[in-house]
Amino acid sequence: DIQMTQSPSTLSASVGDRVTITCRASQSISNWLAWYQQKAGKAPKLLIYKASSLESGVPSRFSGSGSGTEFTLTISSLQPDDFATYYCQHYNSYPYTFGQGTKLEIK
Amino acid sequence: EVQLLESGGGLVQPGGSLRLSCVASGFTFSSYAMNWVRQAPGKGLEWVSAISGRGGNTFYADSVKGRFTISRDSSENTLYLQMNSLRADDTAVYYCAKERGGYDDCWGQGTLVTVSS
Repeated sequence: DIQMTQSPSTLSASVGDRVTITCRASQSISNWLAWYQQKAGKAPKLLIYKASSLESGVPSRFSGSGSGTEFTLTISSLQPDDFATYYCQHYNSYPYTFGQGTKLEIK
Repeated sequence: EVQLLESGGGLVQPGGSLRLSCVASGFTFSSYAMNWVRQAPGKGLEWVSAISGRGGNTFYADSVKGRFTISRDSSENTLYLQMNSLRADDTAVYYCAKERGGYDDCWGQGTLVTVSS
């Protein structure tokens, strides 16, 4: 099975900051990677698919990059609504494993 | 508007069974693969199972293989997860999700399953 490792586990930042979350796959997954945002008590929401494609309706301050085994999610200028937990997930082959999550906290 | 509505969660004793349902609307149900994803209290997301659009192919996480069965009824636009031999570590919120090209573009609100004596 492909393992997904996110870093950091927790990130403290301020409104207006630029932040980057990293996701590493245990083997190459090409660009078969998605990023989700989850707020407390809510279902996850798709942000990015195919490593760098922005889901419709998602603000352009979110961007994704990478291929192979290393990927990043970048938020260019943090807004109050962005404080949440972020997960990467590969869909290269079953099982479609998730990273352990990165909690983005207000500094 | 795409909507997914899970039901069937609740409290069950270890070793017991439960069947979750997910009613879909707003899209052509049989055209899309569907997934179940769970989240234990305070923990991250765990992919559980997937089923192809027509139901001919199913996939499971090792943690549930042999105990859980995913199925779908296109006449009812409903996805199911039959869970047998439940264990304490199956306690989680279970989400159904519509798959689009491998990733999940729409999620239900989740249903809580608690396995405890």
